[in-house]
Amino acid sequence: GQQVMQIPQYQHVQEGEDFTTYCNSSTTLSNIQWYKQRPGGHPVFLIQLVKSGEVKKQKRLTFQFGEAKKNSSLHITATQTTDVGTYFCAGPRGGSNYKLTFGKGTLLTVNP
Amino acid sequence: DAGVIQSPRHEVTEMGQEVTLRCKPISGHNSLFWYRQTMMRGLELLIYFNNNVPIDDSGMPEDRFSAKMPNASFSTLKIQPSEPRDSAVYFCASSPRGTVQETQYFGPGTRLLVL
Repeated sequence: GQQVMQIPQYQHVQEGEDFTTYCNSSTTLSNIQWYKQRPGGHPVFLIQLVKSGEVKKQKRLTFQFGEAKKNSSLHITATQTTDVGTYFCAGPRGGSNYKLTFGKGTLLTVNP
Repeated sequence: DAGVIQSPRHEVTEMGQEVTLRCKPISGHNSLFWYRQTMMRGLELLIYFNNNVPIDDSGMPEDRFSAKMPNASFSTLKIQPSEPRDSAVYFCASSPRGTVQETQYFGPGTRLLVL
């Protein structure tokens, strides 16, 4: 079945360093969503990408959707301790119009 | 505006006991999702309701799990009998119409430990 793979599984950085997480799908996605989950918290929606090659920015966060719509990335510039958490990508499962497949996530820790 | 509400937030029970998890979706949202999160398997969709009707329960692990949505503002997920391997965080999420283009709003989760 359709899978969404995320790498790396873990990333530890010093505060101020950059961070990138990558999401790859085995099939073409109509759209991709990104969520953040703080330790002990729940997933919170960050953004959705729909168009091939789309790039969106939210302050220090930059999201990209690949040209083939099979991969995506989230880049954080100059990480802060508030960025700590697990970042998930999610895409429609098997062409479903309601099921999302979530990647396993990338856990980011930031050393102050 | 209240988000998705779940109760209890934590549950510790013994193997064989019945566990009932509760969820109140965001008012006006027609779709409700129950997820289970574990380290090994990540976030898994258990069941999806639209307009209070179960549309897809293919993710429900086995007959010990059941879910209901008697009205638009309340849903339950029941495990009977519970087993240690059911220990996980259970999230309820809602969205306006349930399409994959919409944001899913997650509740705070119920952290279940079965001893």
